[in-house]
Amino acid sequence: NAGVTQTPKFQVLKTGQSMTLQCAQDMNHNSMYWYRQDPGMGLRLIYYSASEGTTDKGEVPNGYNVSRLNKREFSLRLESAAPSQTSVYFCASSMVLLPEAFFGQGTRLTVV
Amino acid sequence: KNEVEQSPQNLTAQEGEFITINCSYSVGISALHWLQQHPGGGIVSLFMLSSGKKKHGRLIATINIQEKHSSLHITASHPRDSAVYICAVRGSSNTGKLIFGQGTTLQVKP
Repeated sequence: NAGVTQTPKFQVLKTGQSMTLQCAQDMNHNSMYWYRQDPGMGLRLIYYSASEGTTDKGEVPNGYNVSRLNKREFSLRLESAAPSQTSVYFCASSMVLLPEAFFGQGTRLTVV
Repeated sequence: KNEVEQSPQNLTAQEGEFITINCSYSVGISALHWLQQHPGGGIVSLFMLSSGKKKHGRLIATINIQEKHSSLHITASHPRDSAVYICAVRGSSNTGKLIFGQGTTLQVKP
């Protein structure tokens, strides 16, 4: 089982560029999440999708959009990257009723 | 004040020492997670607790629901235990969202 797979692992963007972070899980989980991790701040929820076809804002959604493409895939898009979006991004998934959390390996994004 | 507070933020230990990391939370929860993150690596779930105590190898996690407090213990610590340990709580709603502590950076010296 691959678990949760994120791509890419590393990315450098120029201010104003756009990109999409991809996340896929093969565990048939209903819920998927995007977090960002910044030094000294812990992980913060950007967006989540409680089930296929639904998405909701988390704690820090500004500057991001998401798409729950199907049950497996949940993508995060930066339309116009800003240096403040330099961070490590983690995708996670879980079954809501059996809330074991599974995380991807992370994407280290630098915006210059 | 953060809803999930961990202490200490940083911890240095000698190999073989018994280590305790604490987590206090201020919200109603359905479960509490302890996670491990190695430098440059992903995040791995160590434990999920809703009551009592769980043990896996040298790791022990306890939770006191009444006191809203959990501890992660590492017995006979080893340099490979060096990592960031993160406490996260799952709220009482059914969305499955996690609220994270800031993490405890552990360094175990040989």
